[in-house]
Amino acid sequence: AQTVTQSQPEMSVQEAETVTLSCTYDTSESDYYLFWYKQPPSRQMILVIRQEAYKQQNATENRFSVNFQKAAKSFSLKISDSQLGDAAMYFCAIRGTSGSRLTFGEGTQLTVNP
Amino acid sequence: KAGVTQTPRYLIKTRGQQVTLSCSPISGHRSVSWYQQTPGQGLQFLFEYFSETQRNKGNFPGRFSGRQFSNSRSEMNVSTLELGDSALYLCASSLHPSVRAGHTEAFFGQGTRLTVV
Repeated sequence: AQTVTQSQPEMSVQEAETVTLSCTYDTSESDYYLFWYKQPPSRQMILVIRQEAYKQQNATENRFSVNFQKAAKSFSLKISDSQLGDAAMYFCAIRGTSGSRLTFGEGTQLTVNP
Repeated sequence: KAGVTQTPRYLIKTRGQQVTLSCSPISGHRSVSWYQQTPGQGLQFLFEYFSETQRNKGNFPGRFSGRQFSNSRSEMNVSTLELGDSALYLCASSLHPSVRAGHTEAFFGQGTRLTVV
């Protein structure tokens, strides 16, 4: 079984500033994949970034980067130079190697203040 | 390339009725998963289909069922609707269910908002 916990229901950040969203997980599998998805008011789930557990290097996608701490089972998302369009619900998710089933956290609502 | 298409976008049904939701995955994608999203329970996995076969099922009652066609399009059906079935139903498509094939990403549709009154 896999579980994902996001302990911050809401976060806010000033435009152009940096914010970090927290995520911890638990899994019995040795190989797995971690994701951050963004869900804006349009409700479309959009993949922000992914991390393969067997890779030690933290993933980076433009202004988005992760801090993956495998031993601590922590997977935080850092958004740099925040933009108004980053405002959304952010979900952390995990999947194993068999099947495409994703287990999601509760989500963090991010507000970006101008 | 067209994205994942879910129809209808909105639906209002009465308790006791049944409903069928449709999902057309991205062209070439053969794996389809369904999720239920509610304010109280968050995002919960319903089931996963690959090559017309259900590979995995979440913890939902038998009133929830699904199927996949040979063109990879999928439908989910909820019978004897209850008020608690009101939710956003999301469909996700992937190339293949196995990450060992190198396909880890799931792409989501915009969802179907089901309201049961």
